[in-house]
Amino acid sequence: GAVVSQHPSRVICKSGTSVKIECRSLDFQATTMFWYRQFPKQSLMLMATSNEGSKATYEQGVEKDKFLINHASLTLSTLTVTSAHPEDSSFYICSARGRGGSPYNEQFFGPGTRLTVL
Amino acid sequence: AQSVTQLDSQVPVFEEAPVELRCNYSSSVSVYLFWYVQYPNQGLQLLLKYLSGSTLVKGINGFEAEFNKSQTSFHLRKPSVHISDTAEYFCAVSYNQGGKLIFGQGTELSVKP
Repeated sequence: GAVVSQHPSRVICKSGTSVKIECRSLDFQATTMFWYRQFPKQSLMLMATSNEGSKATYEQGVEKDKFLINHASLTLSTLTVTSAHPEDSSFYICSARGRGGSPYNEQFFGPGTRLTVL
Repeated sequence: AQSVTQLDSQVPVFEEAPVELRCNYSSSVSVYLFWYVQYPNQGLQLLLKYLSGSTLVKGINGFEAEFNKSQTSFHLRKPSVHISDTAEYFCAVSYNQGGKLIFGQGTELSVKP
């Protein structure tokens, strides 16, 4: 149980285009999803936290108009990188957490999405 | 504010040798502690976690960690490593189970034959 998927696993796009990354919890309902960014040989940095049906909470320094997060259902959250530029190239990882008191009340991580902006 | 320090960025060891990956945290309140492993181009897999109770926590793949409150440490150990343990290891803390995670910088474990 507790499987989280991400799609796509890799994406290459041209500068100025927008890219959408999906994060799905496959076998549990995720009341909260987290989006992280990881640069090569570095740690994970939390970008934002989203709760189903409400606006995402962004960490300091993360542009919310640049990184649009939608958590429309209990199994799906999306991250859209708008007008992507080469400096947005990174490894994006999501995690999902179930309801408090359930066996899924911890973060389960997706496999990550490698974004390369040319 | 919480912070996590992994004291070694790289740890090279020979196969079947013991290994310890060090993690220290800074927090004025009780925390939950985690160790994750990341293989190349993959997400994170939970190795073990300390929520409460016994300070010695056993995880998957033969790993264990000991919570030391007085030293604010949560070092990860394995008595005999395999080539397949080669990966990046992250220590993380949280104020509450399932809450925001603060990650350390990571330790690259390289197991050589």
